[in-house]
Amino acid sequence: EAGVVQSPRYKIIEKKQPVAFWCNPISGHNTLYWYRQNLGQGPELLIRYENEEAVDDSQLPKDRFSAERLKGVDSTLKIQPAELGDSAVYLCASSLPGMNTEAFFGQGTRLTVV
Amino acid sequence: GNSVTQMEGPVTLSEEAFLTINCTYTATGYPSLFWYVQYPGEGLQLLLKATKADDKGSNKGFEATYRKETTSFHLEKGSVQVSDSAVYFCALNSGGYQKVTFGTGTKLQVIP
Repeated sequence: EAGVVQSPRYKIIEKKQPVAFWCNPISGHNTLYWYRQNLGQGPELLIRYENEEAVDDSQLPKDRFSAERLKGVDSTLKIQPAELGDSAVYLCASSLPGMNTEAFFGQGTRLTVV
Repeated sequence: GNSVTQMEGPVTLSEEAFLTINCTYTATGYPSLFWYVQYPGEGLQLLLKATKADDKGSNKGFEATYRKETTSFHLEKGSVQVSDSAVYFCALNSGGYQKVTFGTGTKLQVIP
C-alpha cells in the first residue's frame, strides 16, 4: 500500500512569490496534518484536518498561509507571498481517527526561499 | 506549555555499542510519549510509544520506559548497527488527536 505522498520534493522560489504543496494521504485516513520543520528543529504542527474540516489551525500564519482539503482526501498548503523565513521542510502526515493513533509521514517538501 | 528536551547530537558510536538518547518532557496531564525515527532521505516513522506511566515501548531492539517521577523517556538499544544511523525524535501528545510536540532531534551515526 502506498504511503503518504507529497510533491514536489524540492522547491526553490524567490521571496514574494507564491508556492503550493500537495499531499495525498493514505487511503482511509480521515485525519491529515501539515507540519513545518525548520533546520535543526523538530516538526511543528500547522494545521490538522478531520475529513474536510480544519479542526486545529491555531499555529497557521493566516496572513500568508492557507490550506484546503477538498472532498476530505488530498490537501494543498499554500504560501503567498513567501518570505525568507519560510524556508523549511513541510511535512504532511495522516492517521486514522482517534486519540494516540499512529501518524504516518510523507517525505516532505524542502522549500528554499531566496 | 508542553515541551520536550533531547540530548544534543550528533552521537557517534561503533557498531555493537550500547545506545542511550536522553529525553525529558514537561506537560500537563498524562501525556503519551513517542520516539520517531527519520532515516536519510525518508519521512518520519514511529519507532515506539508508551501511553502511561511505567509502560515500556519496544521495537527493532530499541526500548524506552515512561518514567513519570523523572519525566523521562530515554531511548536505549543494547547493540547498534550501521543501519540504525538516523535522526531520532522524542515527542509527546497530551492533547489527544495527535497534537504532538517534538524535540529537536538527535542524529545518530554508527560506524563499522
